[in-house]
Amino acid sequence: DQQVKQNSPSLSVQEGRISILNCDYTNSMFDYFLWYKKYPAEGPTFLISISSIKDKNEDGRFTVFLNKSAKHLSLHIVPSQPGDSAVYFCAARGDSGGGADGLTFGKGTHLIIQP
Amino acid sequence: DTGVSQDPRHKITKRGQNVTFRCDPISEHNRLYWYRQTLGQGPEFLTYFQNEAQLEKSRLLSDRFSAERPKGSFSTLEIQRTEQGDSAMYLCASSRQGAVEKLFFGSGTQLSVL
Repeated sequence: DQQVKQNSPSLSVQEGRISILNCDYTNSMFDYFLWYKKYPAEGPTFLISISSIKDKNEDGRFTVFLNKSAKHLSLHIVPSQPGDSAVYFCAARGDSGGGADGLTFGKGTHLIIQP
Repeated sequence: DTGVSQDPRHKITKRGQNVTFRCDPISEHNRLYWYRQTLGQGPEFLTYFQNEAQLEKSRLLSDRFSAERPKGSFSTLEIQRTEQGDSAMYLCASSRQGAVEKLFFGSGTQLSVL
């Protein structure tokens, strides 16, 4: 049973436009949410995070929104750039059997930025 | 900060053989994690250490899997009697205690079991 769900395996966006990646979760014990970016043949790299007590966090072109009542978070990238093409993973920390900081990951969304 | 290093990058083995992977975390990080990633899936948590203590291992996939971090520095992950279903990317990550947003991943070891 997947506790973190990314329902879009891929997303294609034109360069300069906004990219919106979505993530849903089922476990209300999650207290921290993170987005990771992964290029081929590399490990995931941290992008941005949000605590469950907040509803928005912004870092440059990246903004994460959290809607706790809907158990939904989204990552907005604006403007999208060619270097943003990668797989994006949504992850959550909490009482998920993942240890103190063990994260539960979604399956990822492959973002493709088209020129 | 030289990053998290994993060795080997690729491992091909025959079914039934034992394999061992090594992870060298960022030197000042006291927490070390092992994850597994299969095709089309996100990383799946396996186990983690705080210094040399293995604090969570119930998520290891079977008793064929074991991990050690004998001196609180590098770690090894061993899979005994490998099966074809063990084919996956094995990722190591490290962090300072409590700094989950500063979880740094290595590039992984890609295991192929023939």
